[in-house]
Amino acid sequence: NAGVTQTPKFRILKIGQSMTLQCTQDMNHNYMYWYRQDPGMGLKLIYYSVGAGITDKGEVPNGYNVSRSTTEDFPLRLELAAPSQTSVYFCASSYSPTEFNTEAFFGQGTRLTVV
Amino acid sequence: DAKTTQPTSMDCAEGRAANLPCNHSTISGNEYVYWYRQIHSQGPQYIIHGLKNNETNEMASLIITEDRKSSTLILPHATLRDTAVYYCIVSTRAAGNKLTFGGGTRVLVKP
Repeated sequence: NAGVTQTPKFRILKIGQSMTLQCTQDMNHNYMYWYRQDPGMGLKLIYYSVGAGITDKGEVPNGYNVSRSTTEDFPLRLELAAPSQTSVYFCASSYSPTEFNTEAFFGQGTRLTVV
Repeated sequence: DAKTTQPTSMDCAEGRAANLPCNHSTISGNEYVYWYRQIHSQGPQYIIHGLKNNETNEMASLIITEDRKSSTLILPHATLRDTAVYYCIVSTRAAGNKLTFGGGTRVLVKP
């Protein structure tokens, strides 16, 4: 199993450019998440999805958009990149049955710099 | 979601047990206690979780007080590879299993 795969690993964007961070998981997990981590800080939730076609805002959604057309993929779209979006982005997924709680699996991150 | 409070940092001697405390005094009845760690800049790694009973797996033990207001993560024999930031998080399926990361505890394992 590949787990949670994020692409690209690194990217430099110019102010005002747009890009899509890709995230795919092969574990058939219903829940998926996008977090960002600024230097020296904990992760903050941007958006999450509890299943295909369902997305919801997290703590810091401004400047981002997501979609969940399939169970496997959860891309994060940045429109009009700003220096404040310079961060490391982590995608995660988890399986959520009704009977018990389970753990989340994280990708290795995308390091984004906006200049 | 309930918030957690952890010490900012702690040192541990290699080969000794590391006991990491966490306070979650506002935890609700359906919230689980989760522990994750982040080594350098890698993605967080799951360690263990529990509801009210003590739990043990191949990585660590989790001790939850009877009133569930605090917990302790125990790494039984710390190695240099256990140097990381450890996050204590409370979460519930009703909230989408969302994880709210605080600052965590920076653990340095010394030879």
